[in-house]
Amino acid sequence: GDSVTQMEGPVTLSEEAFLTINCTYTATGYPSLFWYVQYPGEGLQLLLKATKADDKGSNKGFEATYRKETTSFHLEKGSVQVSDSAVYFCALKGAQKLVFGQGTRLTINP
Amino acid sequence: DADVTQTPRNRITKTGKRIMLECSQTKGHDRMYWYRQDPGLGLRLIYYSFDVKDINKGEISDGYSVSRQAQAKFSLSLESAIPNQTALYFCATSGFRGTTDTQYFGPGTRLTVL
Repeated sequence: GDSVTQMEGPVTLSEEAFLTINCTYTATGYPSLFWYVQYPGEGLQLLLKATKADDKGSNKGFEATYRKETTSFHLEKGSVQVSDSAVYFCALKGAQKLVFGQGTRLTINP
Repeated sequence: DADVTQTPRNRITKTGKRIMLECSQTKGHDRMYWYRQDPGLGLRLIYYSFDVKDINKGEISDGYSVSRQAQAKFSLSLESAIPNQTALYFCATSGFRGTTDTQYFGPGTRLTVL
């Protein structure tokens, strides 16, 4: 069945550091791919998405490119801020529903 | 006002009690979902509904039931709560036709079963 694997956390970085959170997937066909973010005490919010191969999703300085060849959708940001501290979830849209990775907790220190 | 609301936000109950979690949405979406979140496991789908007359089991439906009272309301029930149902529960909604991809989440209900 469909599945998503994310790099294990927690991840701790200093402010202005470069961020990469790895995500790979297994699916039939070419699913839409998503990154969701969960800030402390809140529900999940869509961060970005890509619907076909080679598409790049971007939002709030975050980017991810849909790589069909490597079945990956890695999340990157060039310079993180303390306010980016949150849990990040990679997900794919299967036949009828979303399949989530286990989440990666990110902490940014000033 | 929030587009997807959940009540209660926090609940502590005892083993064997019946519990209902409620979800309402003002987004006009057809599709609604219930997930549970456990540390290190991400979100797992409990039930989903594509319209008022359509209810489907997700990957972990045992011990849970749902009711879609109206397009805007989707309730999750635990008929006889047990401690391993202690978790954070999220409701989500998504649109219809070409806009079904993105799901919008409520703020969550933290449930503790003693």
